[in-house]
Amino acid sequence: DAGVIQSPRHEVTEMGQEVTLRCKPISGHDYLFWYRQTMMRGLELLIYFNNNVPIDDSGMPEDRFSAKMPNASFSTLKIQPSEPRDSAVYFCASSLVLGTNYEQYFGPGTRLTVT
Amino acid sequence: AQSVTQLDSHVSVSEGTPVLLRCNYSSSYSPSLFWYVQHPNKGLQLLLKYTSAATLVKGINGFEAEFKKSETSFHLTKPSAHMSDAAEYFCVVMSGTYKYIFGTGTRLKVLA
Repeated sequence: DAGVIQSPRHEVTEMGQEVTLRCKPISGHDYLFWYRQTMMRGLELLIYFNNNVPIDDSGMPEDRFSAKMPNASFSTLKIQPSEPRDSAVYFCASSLVLGTNYEQYFGPGTRLTVT
Repeated sequence: AQSVTQLDSHVSVSEGTPVLLRCNYSSSYSPSLFWYVQHPNKGLQLLLKYTSAATLVKGINGFEAEFKKSETSFHLTKPSAHMSDAAEYFCVVMSGTYKYIFGTGTRLKVLA
């Protein structure tokens, strides 16, 4: 089992550039979550999908952020234009909700630095 | 609304001594609770979960946690700390819509 896969692992970009983060969930999982982790704010849920449909995007900070899940095996989080305050580690997680099993499995994260 | 409070931001223990990481929760109904561990520059790994079955939950790497409804607590323990346990630990409560609400984390330091 490959687990949740995220790419790139590290991204350094200049302010104003577009950034795209990618996630491949565990095969068969029906929920996908995007989180952001910073020292100041800890772990924050940005958006989550169920069966490829966005369910709750109330955590997305601004219109500069967008997320898509075109199929069950791929999701993207895009920031356009990027700003220095977007610097953080972005995690993707997936889960399969079945009975009392609904724990989330996290990817290794993408460390984003916006200069 | 659900919430969790991790009572200590940092905990230091000597190798071979017990570990206690404290977590209190708030929930309007029977909660689902989790502990995750994050090693430096790594993702989060599930240690254990409570989903209204046994109140004493055993997890990986010798960790366990006890759900105490009367105290609204879900403290994480380990009888004997190992150097490899040094990491950040997160207590999590899950809302009814499968959303996780994270505590602020406890950084565990293990002294040789």
